[in-house]
Parts: sequence; structure tokens; C-alpha cells
Amino acid sequence: DVKVTQSSRYLVKRTGEKVFLECVQDMDHENMFWYRQDPGLGLRLIYFSYDVKMKEKGDIPEGYSVSREKKERFSLILESASTNQTSMYLCASSSPGRTNQPQHFGDGTRLSIL
Amino acid sequence: AQKITQTQPGMFVQEKEAVTLDCTYDTSDQSYGLFWYKQPSSGEMIFLIYQGSYDEQNATEGRYSLNFQKARKSANLVISASQLGDSAMYFCAIPQAGTALIFGKGTTLSVSS
Repeated sequence: DVKVTQSSRYLVKRTGEKVFLECVQDMDHENMFWYRQDPGLGLRLIYFSYDVKMKEKGDIPEGYSVSREKKERFSLILESASTNQTSMYLCASSSPGRTNQPQHFGDGTRLSIL
Repeated sequence: AQKITQTQPGMFVQEKEAVTLDCTYDTSDQSYGLFWYKQPSSGEMIFLIYQGSYDEQNATEGRYSLNFQKARKSANLVISASQLGDSAMYFCAIPQAGTALIFGKGTTLSVSS
């Protein structure tokens, strides 16, 4: 089975801090994704990556950056955390190619910015 | 651009009953797929079922099936014989730009005994 592991289930940080959310997958997937989930808004795509050192902006990239130095690891960075970035963050990975490949998700990180 | 609409914020059903969760979509692609995911209160997203736009039959996976009506652009999830463990949020999704998914806002299903 595919395993996508997010480094923390719960995280509390302060405004202005630089925050790192880590995600590791063990299935050699090329594609990796970061979403945030807010009540009433569903999941929204922040960034995604098709390969090592490649990244693409999603629908809401402002205030975030990403890093993909190794194929199995995709990091989300909040450069200067703000309270409106309090949210649930979900990482996912998938195989490339056909559109019938499901994304496999981690357990999520509930991030609170105080 | 792709769009997913889930019009039911919440659904309530009793154990052993069947329930249908609605999903309509909009896409300009000729070939596409629809995904359904389940999210329990613990937070993880669990892939349930997939329907390809050119699949001749509606997808089924155990107690889950899709009522896929291509002309109406709808892909409703049917859960037969509901169980307490089915209580969760359910999301419909469609790929955009080939791989990333666009999700609907979700439907919360509550199953009571």
C-alpha cells in the first residue's frame, strides 16, 4: 500500500515564524501535491510538483513556497506565518500519466498560527 | 476550467439504508475521470471509487457505486446498506491540468442507529 507520511498531526506556531511542513511518500511517485482545507471551502491546491526540483503554483500559492530536493519528499514552507494560514494541510502523491490514477493522501497537519 | 458542485452540505440516514450523495461537474475535456474520497473525523482522505468518462459501465466498489450520467454531467455516489462507520465527509473531485484535482466543498454524512 502507498504510504504518505506528514511530519506532524498537530502544530502550533506564532505569527511571523517560518514554518516547515514535511511530506514523504514511499511509492516512488513523480507527482506530489499540497492542499489546504478550510470549512465550507473544501480542498484548495497550493503547489504541486511533477518531478524533483520542479514546482508549479496551484490556486492559492500566496504566502507559501515549496521544496522538492528528493523524489520522495515535498516540503511546504510558510515564509512568515500569519493567522489566516491556520488550517488543515494535506499532502498527496500520485503516479504520472493517465488521469485515472488516484491521489494518495497523508493524515493531514492541523496547523494553528497564534 | 473544471468545476465540481456538491449541493448537499449534510445528509442524514439510518443504518442499513441506502444514500445518494450528489455531484455535478463542468469540464471542457473530452476524456476525464471522476473521483470520490471519504474523510472521517480523524482527517485522512481515503480514495473510494473512480469513474472514467468513457467507461461503459458505472463503477462499483463493494457497497459504493456511481450513478454516472454523462449527458447531465453528474456522478452521484450511492452507498448501499449504510453503516455507522460511513459517517464522514465525502468529496467528489475531477482532474485539472491532467493531474491535480479540483474538489467540491463536500457533503457530511451522518449515519444513526
